[in-house]
Amino acid sequence: QLQLQESGPGLVKSSETLSLACSVSGGSISSTNYYWGWIRQPPGKGLEWIGSKYSGSTYYNPSLKSRVTISVDTPKNQFSLKLSSVTAEDTAVYYCARHQKQWVGDAFDIWGQGTMVTVSS
Amino acid sequence: QSALTQPASVSGSPGQSITISCTGTSSDVGDYNYVSWYQQHPGKAPKLMIYDVSNRPSGISNRFSGSKSGNTASLTISGLQAEDEADYYCISYTSISTWVFGGGTKLTVL
Repeated sequence: QLQLQESGPGLVKSSETLSLACSVSGGSISSTNYYWGWIRQPPGKGLEWIGSKYSGSTYYNPSLKSRVTISVDTPKNQFSLKLSSVTAEDTAVYYCARHQKQWVGDAFDIWGQGTMVTVSS
Repeated sequence: QSALTQPASVSGSPGQSITISCTGTSSDVGDYNYVSWYQQHPGKAPKLMIYDVSNRPSGISNRFSGSKSGNTASLTISGLQAEDEADYYCISYTSISTWVFGGGTKLTVL
């Protein structure tokens, strides 16, 4: 069964760029039925959708759009998140997830375990 | 985009039924049947419980059901069990091709 695993630095300095990768195992990232997405959760708070991407189609949260880039690396079977100019407000657990397209059933059906990223000053 | 509105907390006794609401607008919940619900236990990743308003993924108990009326979607849990105690989140597709979560609801099983 498909599994997702996030990786990347747990500590990022303020004003720098947060970079995370999500490795996909047990299935292909090339399937046309899915987007690949990122969601975050600040400590003690709720979930926030960051963005979702498949091939040439990319969708971002408007509040983060100017700072976010999601990329898909098909040969490596992984996708990545870059968030620039981070501040303490970007401190959160970051989850990668498989995002079913609407003809399959719009949902984030498989999630990684999450990785905590702290922004330090 | 504004977060969907969920009650901060709900509670119920074992065996009872509870309903969690998720209120949006005519630009998200009201206009699309693309609402899904997630259960999150402390320190764990969210788990998909309902998609497309009322569909259950394979392996999810039929004690969980979803519905929608106007701009409000709802998750109902019947026959409450202690293991249902968790945080629950809704999310909807929007008219500007984005997705927006609700603020989350903490379910306490008394």
